[in-house]
Amino acid sequence: DIVMTQSPDSLAVSLGERATINCKSSQSILYSPDNKNQLAWYQQKPGQPPKLLFYWASTRESGVPDRFSGSESGTDFTLTINNLQAEDVAVYYCHQYYHAWAFGQGTHVEIK
Amino acid sequence: QVQLQESGPGLVRPSGTLSLTCSVSGVSISHTGWWSWVRQPPGKGLEWIGEISESGITYYNVSFKSRVTTSMDRSKNYFSMRLTSMDVADTAVYFCAGRGMDTGWVPVWGQGILVTVSS
Repeated sequence: DIVMTQSPDSLAVSLGERATINCKSSQSILYSPDNKNQLAWYQQKPGQPPKLLFYWASTRESGVPDRFSGSESGTDFTLTINNLQAEDVAVYYCHQYYHAWAFGQGTHVEIK
Repeated sequence: QVQLQESGPGLVRPSGTLSLTCSVSGVSISHTGWWSWVRQPPGKGLEWIGEISESGITYYNVSFKSRVTTSMDRSKNYFSMRLTSMDVADTAVYFCAGRGMDTGWVPVWGQGILVTVSS
């Protein structure tokens, strides 16, 4: 089974600063026919379902502010939030949907 | 617009069986794709339970394999999950989700349903 290792568990960032969340898959999640990593990033706030931010690792979902960015390098994936805003306080998850879904442990982002 | 909606009991007795249904609109589950169940215990992370393809192929998380079954009704465009031998530890929000050719292979999710296991 593919294991997603996400770090850190929690992150305190000042307003306007940058938050960086990392996720590593235990094996390749690259779908060869279209050369796309099968990875999504979600934001989840209390009492709400996960909100899709990125799919294929770096394709931003419609409506997601461009201060959010997703990047990829092999089996390493990063979610970056630039210019952190108060409304970005949430838990963030990575998710591989290459085979038999798996999720990272989640990262709590809060304001310092 | 793709919509997934979970339905089922909000309360299950210990040792009982949970049956949930996910009604899908905006896409056809008969088209190539995979339809999943995910849960989230209170205050914890997301846990994948299992999935079923449009042709009925199933994959399950080994943690649930002996207790879970998934099925689908293509004519009514919904898929279902049964989880047996429910325990207090199975208290969670259960989400249906999926992706397929009709979603552009992008994951889509339902809103979730809280299931409490209690006597």
